[in-house]
Amino acid sequence: GAGVSQTPSNKVTEKGKYVELRCDPISGHTALYWYRQSLGQGPEFLIYFQGTGAADDSGLPNDRFFAVRPEGSVSTLKIQRTERGDSAVYLCASSLVGEGETQYFGPGTRLLVL
Amino acid sequence: KQEVTQIPAALSVPEGENLVLNCSFTDSAIYNLQWFRQDPGKGLTSLLLIQSSQREQTSGRLNASLDKSSGRSTLYIAASQPGDSATYLCAVSGNNRKLIWGLGTSLAVNP
Repeated sequence: GAGVSQTPSNKVTEKGKYVELRCDPISGHTALYWYRQSLGQGPEFLIYFQGTGAADDSGLPNDRFFAVRPEGSVSTLKIQRTERGDSAVYLCASSLVGEGETQYFGPGTRLLVL
Repeated sequence: KQEVTQIPAALSVPEGENLVLNCSFTDSAIYNLQWFRQDPGKGLTSLLLIQSSQREQTSGRLNASLDKSSGRSTLYIAASQPGDSATYLCAVSGNNRKLIWGLGTSLAVNP
């Protein structure tokens, strides 16, 4: 596709459940980023992949959050034992590596934990 | 720790006005600065990226400047239109590439 895609667009789950959020980056983009945005706030960095490896996971809030990118393309953000405070819009972005490195964002996944 | 501040938090102007949105950051050691637009319930659209070695970028009616030494960037919108109504976000990245964001300026352009 032409842009970054994320699925599902909306996810409602119950407290304590496990969820997976998927990101398909722009074809050929080696860098992939996850952010989350709470209402009225700017996005908050979670994790950055360069290829298959996590180059920086310092933004993951705790060990309930984990992300993978096994083939260097699609990434999955996994949240275990969800809590109400995990409710937010989860944003994925991708970029080329090199000059400038504009990050292009997907439409986000809106997660609601009841 | 890098912190990004955007002023004003909200702005309402009549159609046709030229306007300036401000962004400041505390650590001048940045890799680049990006301006984004966010429409309600939608994702983020990249408007302009300024590399740390550059002073400004232009795209159509938009012009963004960067003064790295003073930790400031401005986004200038010429001849504003109702379709420009959105939240404008400023974000800076360091060598680690992760974006640190301001809270945004909510812009309303009234016909």
